[in-house]
Amino acid sequence: GQNIDQPTEMTATEGAIVQINCTYQTSGFNGLFWYQQHAGEAPTFLSYNVLDGLEEKGRFSSFLSRSKGYSYLLLKELQMKDSASYLCAVSWMNRDDKIIFGKGTRLHILP
Amino acid sequence: DVKVTQSSRYLVKRTGEKVFLECVQDMDHENMFWYRQDPGLGLRLIYFSYDVKMKEKGDIPEGYSVSREKKERFSLILESASTNQTSMYLCAYRGGGNEQFFGPGTRLTVL
Repeated sequence: GQNIDQPTEMTATEGAIVQINCTYQTSGFNGLFWYQQHAGEAPTFLSYNVLDGLEEKGRFSSFLSRSKGYSYLLLKELQMKDSASYLCAVSWMNRDDKIIFGKGTRLHILP
Repeated sequence: DVKVTQSSRYLVKRTGEKVFLECVQDMDHENMFWYRQDPGLGLRLIYFSYDVKMKEKGDIPEGYSVSREKKERFSLILESASTNQTSMYLCAYRGGGNEQFFGPGTRLTVL
């Protein structure tokens, strides 16, 4: 299969840092995406990692280790508006343009 | 910015009705996708299309069909709606960097 695993829920405090992990099957791996989805809204694209390493975009960073089948999304200086679900999604070489989504991590921010 | 619109945000239909969900993108993107999203199951791919009149089954095509007569429009059809098709339906297109961008979604309720 092409399982993608991420925690179901996480809780963090406003102003803090939180790391959301994602693991996936490495066979045929092409690239990994992170999306943010607020309740009742469509997912919005955050990042795309193909190569190993950390990519930073403001308060959000995404890390990838291809050999370990592991990624994380790091959110710094958490704000209440960061309360959302975060979806990890993977594309595989033998699946053309299709992307498989994880079930998402629901992040709760406490004041 | 490219915009993706879906014909309705909320839709209520009765069992057995034929349902059309429309998705329109305002650029010349070739790849378009239809997903459904359900609690605990995440986003699942129903159908996708690489170009006009081309369609490919996704992971859960049963009970659905699609139509792509023009590049900008990708329609999802429920031939005979059933209660287990009550869901959030999301249309997406593929951007230049392999990422997918989503429309606002249609929340369909089948009674």
